[in-house]
Amino acid sequence: AAGVIQSPRHLIKEKRETATLKCYPIPRHDTVYWYQQGPGQDPQFLISFYEKMQSDKGSIPDRFSAQQFSDYHSELNMSSLELGDSALYFCASSLRGTGSHPEAFFGQGTRLTVV
Amino acid sequence: GQQVMQIPQYQHVQEGEDFTTYCNSSTTLSNIQWYKQRPGGHPVFLIQLVKSGEVKKQKRLTFQFGEAKKNSSLHITATQTTDVGTYFCANKAAGNKLTFGGGTRVLVKP
Repeated sequence: AAGVIQSPRHLIKEKRETATLKCYPIPRHDTVYWYQQGPGQDPQFLISFYEKMQSDKGSIPDRFSAQQFSDYHSELNMSSLELGDSALYFCASSLRGTGSHPEAFFGQGTRLTVV
Repeated sequence: GQQVMQIPQYQHVQEGEDFTTYCNSSTTLSNIQWYKQRPGGHPVFLIQLVKSGEVKKQKRLTFQFGEAKKNSSLHITATQTTDVGTYFCANKAAGNKLTFGGGTRVLVKP
């Protein structure tokens, strides 16, 4: 079965550079989430989209932005990178139509290292 | 905002023994989801509980939702090395925000 695809899997950037992370949700899923997970931490919710519209916003820095495109893939854009942005970034998708609290399917994650 | 707290943060278990991890909230939860994340992996959905006092079992795993819907537990019997990982409880609030607890990191001693 198709899963959530994230690219790239690994990314190394220098401070003050820009990074773009991509996410391809499971086909027909209508909701995409982005999470940031630091070492030894729980995943922190950044932002979510439902049917290509932003639906919820968490602890996402102003330097970050995200959008969901017409083909439902999503991108997380990160500018003016800081050392503290080094983390695992997960994308997840779900299908709201399966229930009021549908399970989220997570991608393999993108490991971002800022040097 | 609504928070879910997990205890213990770490659990060292002898292979074959049982253990329980707990998830607590100061407010009533409409649902609890449990996820497992293996070392170096991504969170994988295990179960969802929505009813007061609900109990669900998956082989050696027993999940329970408290009567007041403010707490939940995951009990694993006869722990195996394959149980290694971090177990997260999470709450799906109205809208699309899935908030995770701090997780319980499980290490199994053979």
